[in-house]
Order: sequence, then structure tokens, then C-alpha cells
Amino acid sequence: QSVLTQPPSASGTPGQRVTISCSGSSSNIGSNTVNWYQQLPGTAPKLLIYSNNQRPSGVPDRFSGSKSGTSASLAISGLQSEDEADYYCAAWDDSLNGKVFGGGTKLTVL
Amino acid sequence: EVQLVESGGGLVQPGGSLRLSCAASGFTFSSYWMSWVRQAPGKGLEWVANIKQDGSEKYYVDSVKGRFTISRDNAKNSLYLQMNSLRAEDTAVYYCARDRCLWIGDCYSDYWGQGTLVTVSS
Repeated sequence: QSVLTQPPSASGTPGQRVTISCSGSSSNIGSNTVNWYQQLPGTAPKLLIYSNNQRPSGVPDRFSGSKSGTSASLAISGLQSEDEADYYCAAWDDSLNGKVFGGGTKLTVL
Repeated sequence: EVQLVESGGGLVQPGGSLRLSCAASGFTFSSYWMSWVRQAPGKGLEWVANIKQDGSEKYYVDSVKGRFTISRDNAKNSLYLQMNSLRAEDTAVYYCARDRCLWIGDCYSDYWGQGTLVTVSS
């Protein structure tokens, strides 16, 4: 069981907006920043969002991140077929003195 | 162009040892924290360890403490993971990643290698 809790799956149709949640605690999300990674099938993870809501260059502005208290969310607007992938949230945990990942959310574009 | 190339994976018996390497290029290696992250077959990502620029700080996930050692050689632009007393549950693809850190609580992995597979089995 992961320290950060994500729904195992999410889905949407092309053009829709979907959100993926990530729930933690005061020792991780509550006191540190959240990052989001996208992993396409058979490939290495790719940074999608850092420092809660910042997009690296090259990441479309369809992707956005937010954080409130001990929870965070990733929103994808204008869903496209190429967005079908696994998405992971991550944060440093002060109690564990290590980084923790969510269990991952498999996004299906219907 | 930033490149991270892992090597050293393979099949090892339970209780055995393996040393993973990650060759970095395209950036000033000595200026960045570095991490190892693993992914068991069909499972999610699990952070394993990270190391500060000069090697003065190292952190590990509890399940590998006392068995794995992360190290780096800035002169060779290389990151290492020495894995001892390997168990079946260590079977995974191991990724090397470059970290950008404002402070330990605001760190993110902006570049990842392609991974190397470690299989622990008799």
C-alpha cells in the first residue's frame, strides 16, 4: 500500500477534462511540494508537473497541477489519445526521510 | 543533450550482489542530486535512494537500508548502486534520475535513464 493514495484508474473521451487525485498527510504533501510523472507504456517516466503546479518546458498547458492541504490534483484538459498512460504523484516524506510515490493511475482515453 | 545510461543489471541468485552504474552526460553532473527509482514488473514506481552533489547526504527507502549503497564519482560522471543480500522482491527495472532540488522537500527528477532490469531468482 502506497503512502500517497491515487485512484487506480481514470477515463475520459477525447476533448474532455479529467482530474487525478493524490491524497497524503502532513508529513509529505502537507509540508513538501508535489510532482507528477507520466509513464507511457514501455517507457521511462517523464516529469509532467513539479513544485505543485509548474510545467517543464515542452509540457503542454493542457496539463496543470494544484495542491491544497494534504491533497494534490493533476488536471488534463482537451484529452487526447496520446495521453493514455500511467500517472504518478510523488513527494518527500519528512517522517520516512525519503521520497514517496502514489500507486499510480492508469488513464484510458475511450 | 542530457543522457543517463544505466548498466549492470542481470540475473542474480537470492543473497547475491550486483552493482548498477549510471553514466551521465550532457550536463554538469557534480551540480545535481541523483536518484535511483525502481519498478517491479507490472507495478508502480518506488524511490530507492538519492545522493547529494558531493555525496555528503544519502537517503534510502527502509526496505533497502543496510543492503544497498548509493555512491557517485563526479570525476567519472557516474552514479552507482551497490546491491547486496538481494531478495526476490528486489526484482525490478532500476532507473537512474537527475534531481533538481531547491531543498530536500522540493526535489523533482527531471531526466530519467531507460532503466536496467534486475532479476533475483534461483
